[in-house]
Amino acid sequence: SQTIHQWPATLVQPVGSPLSLECTVEGTSNPNLYWYRQAAGRGLQLLFYSVGIGQISSEVPQNLSASRPQDRQFILSSKKLLLSDSGFYLCAWNYRAGTEAFFGQGTRLTVV
Amino acid sequence: RKEVEQDPGPFNVPEGATVAFNCTYSNSASQSFFWYRQDCRKEPKLLMSVYSSGNEDGRFTAQLNRASQYISLLIRDSKLSDSATYLCVAPRTGGFKTIFGAGTRLFVKA
Repeated sequence: SQTIHQWPATLVQPVGSPLSLECTVEGTSNPNLYWYRQAAGRGLQLLFYSVGIGQISSEVPQNLSASRPQDRQFILSSKKLLLSDSGFYLCAWNYRAGTEAFFGQGTRLTVV
Repeated sequence: RKEVEQDPGPFNVPEGATVAFNCTYSNSASQSFFWYRQDCRKEPKLLMSVYSSGNEDGRFTAQLNRASQYISLLIRDSKLSDSATYLCVAPRTGGFKTIFGAGTRLFVKA
C-alpha cells in the first residue's frame, strides 16, 4: 500500500531563518506531488506541484521554493522566513491528474 | 471567480438531522469530483468520490449536477463524530492542479 510521510510535525522558527520541510511517498512510482498551505481557519492554498523529478510548477509568488530531487521526494524550502509564512503545510500525492489526492500528516509552522 | 466555491458555514445541527452542502465549480471540463473531511488540526482525508451518476456510502450521498456545475454532499442521521470541515475538489481535466474549496464547517450537537 502507498504511504506518505511528512516531517517535522511541528516547527517554531524565528523570522529570517531558513526552512526545509520534507515529504516522501512509498509504495508507488512517478506520483504527482503537491505542497499546500492552510492558514488558520482558512482553505488549502496550492503552493507547488510536480509531475516528475526536477519539474516544479509554482502557483503563488512568494519566498518559498520547492524541489524534487528524487521520484518520491518533495522538499519545501525558504531562505528567510517571514511571519506570514506561518501555517499548516501539507504534502499530497496522486496517481495522475484528476484523481483523488492523499495527504501527509502536515507540518504546523509558527514563525516568531 | 474562484474555481471551487463552498458555503463556509458553520452549519450547526442537532444529532439525527439531515444536512446538505453544495459546492460550485467553474471549470466545465472537470470530470471527477471529490469530498474530503478535515478534522481540526489534521490533514484532509478522502470521504468519497463523486462521479456522473452520483454515489452513496452509508449515511453519505454525493451528487453531481453538471448543468448547474455543482456537487452536493448529503449527510443523513448526523452523528456527533460528523463534526468536521468538509472540502470539495474539482480537479481540472488535463491539468495537474488539484484545487480545493475553502471548506464548510459542520457542528453536530447533542
